[in-house]
Amino acid sequence: GNSVTQMEGPVTLSEEAFLTINCTYTATGYPSLFWYVQYPGEGLQLLLKATKADDKGSNKGFEATYRKETTSFHLEKGSVQVSDSAVYFCALIFYNFNKFYFGSGTKLNVKP
Amino acid sequence: GAGVSQSPRYKVAKRGQDVALRCDPISGHVSLFWYQQALGQGPEFLTYFQNEAQLDKSGLPSDRFFAERPEGSVSTLKIQRTQQEDSAVYLCASSLRTGNSGNTIYFGEGSWLTVV
Repeated sequence: GNSVTQMEGPVTLSEEAFLTINCTYTATGYPSLFWYVQYPGEGLQLLLKATKADDKGSNKGFEATYRKETTSFHLEKGSVQVSDSAVYFCALIFYNFNKFYFGSGTKLNVKP
Repeated sequence: GAGVSQSPRYKVAKRGQDVALRCDPISGHVSLFWYQQALGQGPEFLTYFQNEAQLDKSGLPSDRFFAERPEGSVSTLKIQRTQQEDSAVYLCASSLRTGNSGNTIYFGEGSWLTVV
């Protein structure tokens, strides 16, 4: 089957620390991979995506590389800010399918 | 509109009551999705529309759940005889068209349902 596994949170970091949120997936084909972010009281927002192996998605200082050999799509940021505090969801979707498979989310708390 | 709009934002229902949740997708978006997000979990797929056609309803958890999009724009998710396990955030999403994972899917802020 298809599934996404994320590291459990919460992750608590000090401002300017390095962030890694692990994401691995199981898929019966070749999916596209996404990171979504959910700020308190808001809907899901697309953070970045990668549609094929070795692609790197990046946005707002966040990066993730599609690693087919390790079935992973880890999210990284070199220097987090308090405003990055949110819940981060890793997800996969297949071309011409129409459903995302989401991980359970990882809450990030950044302290000043 | 500027984004996907959902109403009501918050709903408290007594067990056994019927509820209706509304979604206004972004104007012109062909594809519309409903997801259910339980507390502390990731969203789970419920159903998908392409225009007015409901092409996939495999995620609807029981026959108490029903969704429609009669004119290919606004959609309503109806839950009959609500149970406590229905308590969740119901997310609506839309995209310009389907069949292309490069399309951006936009999510609404969700309707928070609590069944007491």
